[in-house]
Amino acid sequence: EIVLTQSPGSLSLSPGERATLSCRASQSVSLTSLAWYQQKPGQAPRLLIYGASYRATGIPDRFSGSGSGTDFSLTISRLEPDDFAVYYCQQYGSSPLTFGGGTKVEIK
Amino acid sequence: QVQLQQWGAGLLKPSETLSLTCAASGGSFTNYYWSWIRQTPGKGLEWIGEIKHSGLTNYNPSLKSRVTISVDTSKTQFSLKLTSVTAADTAVYYCTRQYSSGYYSDYWGQGTLVTVSS
Repeated sequence: EIVLTQSPGSLSLSPGERATLSCRASQSVSLTSLAWYQQKPGQAPRLLIYGASYRATGIPDRFSGSGSGTDFSLTISRLEPDDFAVYYCQQYGSSPLTFGGGTKVEIK
Repeated sequence: QVQLQQWGAGLLKPSETLSLTCAASGGSFTNYYWSWIRQTPGKGLEWIGEIKHSGLTNYNPSLKSRVTISVDTSKTQFSLKLTSVTAADTAVYYCTRQYSSGYYSDYWGQGTLVTVSS
């Protein structure tokens, strides 16, 4: 199975700053089948990005995804207070579907 | 507005069978796949398996021997059974809608904490 490694484990930033999160796969993810989710305490994950770079319905354009092969990233251009959460990547190019360990974005 | 409402027993003893059900509403039931994902502090998010309205299933090989996912199309519900549970199965279990087989999850249930303890 494909192992996803997210870095950094946590990120301490201020509102208005730019956040860049990384997701590296142990082998190439076919057809850029990579998604990003946001999770807040006590809530289910919420889909942000699919197909590596396509925003899900209702997701603001400050969220953007990029990458291919084994290296992917999620960028939040200007952090808003509501963005402080844990972010997970998921590959769905091969079965079983797998998730990264998450990056926590904290308020500095 | 798609909604997934899930329920089931939250406290089990080792060797018992975990049983959860998820009801989908607000959208097509037949055009999507439906899945279960669990989350533990130690292993993070783990995809358990998926089912289509026809009953076609795919399971994570790591759990395949103990998992059954079934569907009741007339009620737009699907269910998870996990046999012979141990403390390692303690997790929050989510039902989700997948865009297609082996795809991302675009809608999630509220989650059910299942604790396995003697």
